[in-house]
Amino acid sequence: EDQVTQSPEALRLQEGESSSLNCSYTVSGLRGLFWYRQDPGKGPEFLFTLYSAGEEKEKERLKATLTKKESFLHITAPKPEDSATYLCAVPSYKLSFGAGTTVTVRA
Amino acid sequence: DGGITQSPKYLFRKEGQNVTLSCEQNLNHDAMYWYRQDPGQGLRLIYYSQIVNDFQKGDIAEGYSVSREKKESFPLTVTSAQKNPTAFYLCASSMSGYRTDTQYFGPGTRLTVL
Repeated sequence: EDQVTQSPEALRLQEGESSSLNCSYTVSGLRGLFWYRQDPGKGPEFLFTLYSAGEEKEKERLKATLTKKESFLHITAPKPEDSATYLCAVPSYKLSFGAGTTVTVRA
Repeated sequence: DGGITQSPKYLFRKEGQNVTLSCEQNLNHDAMYWYRQDPGQGLRLIYYSQIVNDFQKGDIAEGYSVSREKKESFPLTVTSAQKNPTAFYLCASSMSGYRTDTQYFGPGTRLTVL
């Protein structure tokens, strides 16, 4: 069965303190990986799609990378507005989501 | 503005009632999806539709029903057979039903059983 595991479950950062979130997966024949941001009480917002190992994408303070086994979402010099839950998802016969990492950035 | 709308934002259901959650999109997407989100769990697929008048069960379809009579609309009915319906429900759409298409989400409906 396809599995997507995100770690850590929660991450508390000081403003400006860079860190990384991990998304590991067991999917045969990876065909891409999605990252979403979800604010409390709202629907997920699409951030990135990564298609192949070695690929990187950036958006403001976020940078996503992909290897054959996992993906990382790096948050550089975070601000309080980066506080959210970050979800990763992998397509197999359907889109399989991880449980998310909740990031809290304190001013 | 193109997007996905869900209504209502909050919904309260009494035991034994059926309730219907609305999902509309104006993105001209062929595929639409319903997910359920519970605390500490990933999104779980309830139903999906790749084309009008056709839909398939996802992983947790029991106690739910859908219809797809129009391309823009994909309503979800939570029936009294659903034993634990309290959750956050998310509707999504994608250009086609191909698994690597990006799915875009609506704002969600929070359903609470009283």
